[in-house]
Amino acid sequence: DARVTQTPRHKVTEMGQEVTMRCQPILGHNTVFWYRQTMMQGLELLAYFRNRAPLDDSGMPKDRFSAEMPDATLATLKIQPSEPRDSAVYFCASGLAPGTGTSPLHFGNGTRLTVT
Amino acid sequence: AQTVTQSQPEMSVQEAETVTLSCTYDTSESDYYLFWYKQPPSRQMILVIRQEAYKQQNATENRFSVNFQKAAKSFSLKISDSQLGDAAMYFCAYRSRQGAQKLVFGQGTRLTINP
Repeated sequence: DARVTQTPRHKVTEMGQEVTMRCQPILGHNTVFWYRQTMMQGLELLAYFRNRAPLDDSGMPKDRFSAEMPDATLATLKIQPSEPRDSAVYFCASGLAPGTGTSPLHFGNGTRLTVT
Repeated sequence: AQTVTQSQPEMSVQEAETVTLSCTYDTSESDYYLFWYKQPPSRQMILVIRQEAYKQQNATENRFSVNFQKAAKSFSLKISDSQLGDAAMYFCAYRSRQGAQKLVFGQGTRLTINP
């Protein structure tokens, strides 16, 4: 049963430290999304890739966040420097671009980030 | 921009009863997808059911069914014969077939199942 793999599952770090979250999308999926979930804001889209190219990162604070796909099997989300307000659960999701099926997104189990 | 609204922050139902979760959305597009996702305490996001806007027939998956009213931009989820394992946060989501094709979520409805 194919699934999206995210690492680490939990991360506790001090303010100012760099945080890197990794995601392995399902093989064959050509779209990858990063979402952030908080109690106050719900699920917010941070970045979106199609065929490894960034299509939309308007939801991401550009000064400290960066998202990349070095290859088709790896997506990364980095925060440098981290701040307490970045504490949240970060989800990666992958799927097929609409037009090739009903295009649901398959989610990883998320990374719970705590910045102290 | 598309928006999704879930007007019920919390709902509860007796085990074995039926419950309906509401969702409305705003879009100017005619071709799109709608989804319901379930998030149990484990925080995993699980796809419950999907609907393509061009299909008039309401989607059904076992005990889960939707009432899709395209003109009213409404997409409610009905859970029949509720089970304790159905307790979770439920998110309604919209995905366009054009443009950025982002998945836009509602704020969620927390469903409690009373034994």
